[in-house]
Amino acid sequence: LAKTTQPISMDSYEGQEVNITCSHNNIATNDYITWYQQFPSQGPRFIIQGYKTKVTNEVASLFIPADRKSSTLSLPRVSLSDTAVYYCLVGDDYGGSQGNLIFGKGTKLSVKP
Amino acid sequence: DSGVTQTPKHLITATGQRVTLRCSPRSGDLSVYWYQQSLDQGLQFLIQYYNGEERAKGNILERFSAQQFPDLHSELNLSSLELGDSALYFCASSEGSPGMNEKLFFGSGTQLSVL
Repeated sequence: LAKTTQPISMDSYEGQEVNITCSHNNIATNDYITWYQQFPSQGPRFIIQGYKTKVTNEVASLFIPADRKSSTLSLPRVSLSDTAVYYCLVGDDYGGSQGNLIFGKGTKLSVKP
Repeated sequence: DSGVTQTPKHLITATGQRVTLRCSPRSGDLSVYWYQQSLDQGLQFLIQYYNGEERAKGNILERFSAQQFPDLHSELNLSSLELGDSALYFCASSEGSPGMNEKLFFGSGTQLSVL
């Protein structure tokens, strides 16, 4: 299983750019990198997914270096409503025979005014 | 709105009892997943169904069981409940091509309180 390591918590202020880095040293060739966001008492919500280089959508950017052993979720100009837990998942199958897409404890981002 | 519907939203019961949690996946999704989230814990994968068949089991207790019906809705049955079973139970669905990388869509969860 491709294990991921991400900071337990991060603090930021409104308007700042936040970068959350996830380490996944034993990522496999078929593995994708996926990030989810979870607000208290709600189910996680898909944010972004990538395989290599850079992916950008209306919510965030995902930077993946050539060796793919880490990835960085970038949230531009955060607001108070971005306060949530962010999960980094690495794998290609949530269940299946390997079930290698595992939600860890995530990174708790606190955005302050 | 993710399109995944879970009922009930809240459930309060006593130890030793049995409850059933229900999940309706997004229209067209074939895979259903169940997760448990306790206070200060990450999401624990319990079980996955694909088109009516069990596809994978995670850390699901023997007291728990699930099934996916022909209309693709799923039920999670929890029996002989213990205090430690108190948690948020999430259902998620995906398009469900086995082995393909996918995005999960989560319901809003069922908060189970065992007293």
